[in-house]
Amino acid sequence: AQRVTQPEKLLSVFKGAPVELKCNYSYSGSPELFWYVQYSRQRLQLLLRHISRESIKGFTADLNKGETSFHLKKPFAQEEDSAMYYCALSGPNFNKFYFGSGTKLNVKP
Amino acid sequence: GAGVSQSPSNKVTEKGKDVELRCDPISGHTALYWYRQSLGQGLEFLIYFQGNSAPDKSGLPSDRFSAERTGGSVSTLTIQRTQQEDSAVYLCASSKPSRHEQFFGPGTRLTVL
Repeated sequence: AQRVTQPEKLLSVFKGAPVELKCNYSYSGSPELFWYVQYSRQRLQLLLRHISRESIKGFTADLNKGETSFHLKKPFAQEEDSAMYYCALSGPNFNKFYFGSGTKLNVKP
Repeated sequence: GAGVSQSPSNKVTEKGKDVELRCDPISGHTALYWYRQSLGQGLEFLIYFQGNSAPDKSGLPSDRFSAERTGGSVSTLTIQRTQQEDSAVYLCASSKPSRHEQFFGPGTRLTVL
């Protein structure tokens, strides 16, 4: 069965500390992986996608097919990174998406 | 330009009533998605439209749920005979053809008393 697991509901770090938000998936095929973010009182928006191999706002994520993981990382967290982060998976046709339950990141001053 | 809009923003209804939720996607976005987010849960995929066609309706939780899209634009999600477990935030998203990025609406918060 297709599934996305984000084991941490809440992650608190101090400003300047490294942060890693975990995401593991289960998918029979070649998935497309994404990270979406929702800042306070804003809409859910795309942060990054594995296919682009990009770094957005200092965040990166590497798809590890062996470990079926797509963890989101940032070397130095900023207070403005505080938000809800969702890992998502889709098949190649983007006709169905599976989202994790989300991790709330709290960056303390 | 205008983003995805949804109406109403909040809906309170009594158990057993029917409700209609509306989504206006970004102009030119042929793909449209509906999701449900229950309290403390992730987004649950409901249905996907490519144009006016929904090739896979298996994500709809029961036959009380239906969705349609007309003119390749506006979509409505209808819930008949609402139950308390239908209470959730219903999100709509749209995307350009062959593009990966979904643009989300603000959601409709449905409360069934």
